[in-house]
Amino acid sequence: AQSVTQLDSQVPVFEEAPVELRCNYSSSVSVYLFWYVQYPNQGLQLLLKYLSGSTLVKGINGFEAEFNKSQTSFHLRKPSVHISDTAEYFCAVRVTGGGNKLTFGTGTQLKVEL
Amino acid sequence: DAGVTQSPTHLIKTRGQQVTLRCSPKSGHDTVSWYQQALGQGPQFIFQYYEEEERQRGNFPDRFSGHQFPNYSSELNVNALLLGDSALYLCASSLASWNSPLHFGNGTRLTVT
Repeated sequence: AQSVTQLDSQVPVFEEAPVELRCNYSSSVSVYLFWYVQYPNQGLQLLLKYLSGSTLVKGINGFEAEFNKSQTSFHLRKPSVHISDTAEYFCAVRVTGGGNKLTFGTGTQLKVEL
Repeated sequence: DAGVTQSPTHLIKTRGQQVTLRCSPKSGHDTVSWYQQALGQGPQFIFQYYEEEERQRGNFPDRFSGHQFPNYSSELNVNALLLGDSALYLCASSLASWNSPLHFGNGTRLTVT
């Protein structure tokens, strides 16, 4: 079975500073990787996804992530955060041949401060 | 273009009761998945419907059941509610293809007292 670990439950950062949210996964088969963002009282919005090809993927709102197969990681980065980036961020995996089922991590609360 | 819509937005039920949650998928989507998100946790996969049949199921008891209608909309039913069923229930729609991303609704907040 696959699993996702998000090591940081909360990440405080000042506005305009860079941020990295960490995600590690475990799976015996190949996976597809996703980052979702959840604003208060809302559903999840897809930030970016890795399906194949280039290991550096760019998403919406200036976020990017790098797939590292040897380290089984898919860390999310943004060079300069804004107050509006304050939200919960979820990393998720989907195994190849496993349909559309996503396995999520427990989430990282990003809090951007002035 | 309407996205995924869920109803109701909030619901309060008593232990032992039954509840039905509803979901209309994004236009053009034919596959619906349901997730349970407990407070402070990531979403947990309940099941997925395609062509009006349950195609995949997560580790949830039989008290959780669902249905998909010919117009692709879906219902999630939970019987004999427990306090632990209190959560945000998220519906997600997609196409059946392997690379189709999930689009989530805003969820139904269920509180069991």
